[in-house]
Amino acid sequence: DTEVTQTPKHLVMGMTNKKSLKCEQHMGHRAMYWYKQKAKKPPELMFVYSYEKLSINESVPSRFSPECPNSSLLNLHLHALQPEDSALYLCASSQGRARALAKNIQYFGAGTRLSVL
Amino acid sequence: EDQVTQSPEALRLQEGESSSLNCSYTVSGLRGLFWYRQDPGKGPEFLFTLYSAGEEKEKERLKATLTKKESFLHITAPKPEDSATYLCAVQAPGANSKLTFGKGITLSVRP
Repeated sequence: DTEVTQTPKHLVMGMTNKKSLKCEQHMGHRAMYWYKQKAKKPPELMFVYSYEKLSINESVPSRFSPECPNSSLLNLHLHALQPEDSALYLCASSQGRARALAKNIQYFGAGTRLSVL
Repeated sequence: EDQVTQSPEALRLQEGESSSLNCSYTVSGLRGLFWYRQDPGKGPEFLFTLYSAGEEKEKERLKATLTKKESFLHITAPKPEDSATYLCAVQAPGANSKLTFGKGITLSVRP
């Protein structure tokens, strides 16, 4: 089973709202990722957590705040977003930063479609 | 900087008409090349990973191959359900598992 579950599937929020996206996996993976994808564009990496520690922040604005409470769960807290932040937000996981090449494979969730009004 | 270029941008095929999708890449030492399939409004679905030139992987009507500069995704006798966007991504050593994606190829298969 290579399932990554994201909730909610759709989210509409105003620019003054605070909301959170949730991602869960039960594959024992120790690396988790947030990507942002605009229409007809490839996914763009936002954050990487490795063993529950933030290892990569791709210069993402502070209105996006990631959190990894445990090895199975990843959250993305949203505050004071702009309309241009509307996109599909994808979560992914992989076994971890191990030498074995097979552990590099990232498995994606179905995404959260975010609309900022 | 790692770069991935996919061509063509879009491809329309008749059912049963075999073809190939191209992914050219430049990376400072390839740790892995990945192919994903993405349906509209869904997350990318993992298809294949290739690690060294000459490697080939096969799954149903799809076959992925790798050289030192490019990868091909061959589709044999496609069906309408193969219609999707196919994404290619590379991973460089020491890149903390970051994937660099190409822009994708949108495949439409007509019945």
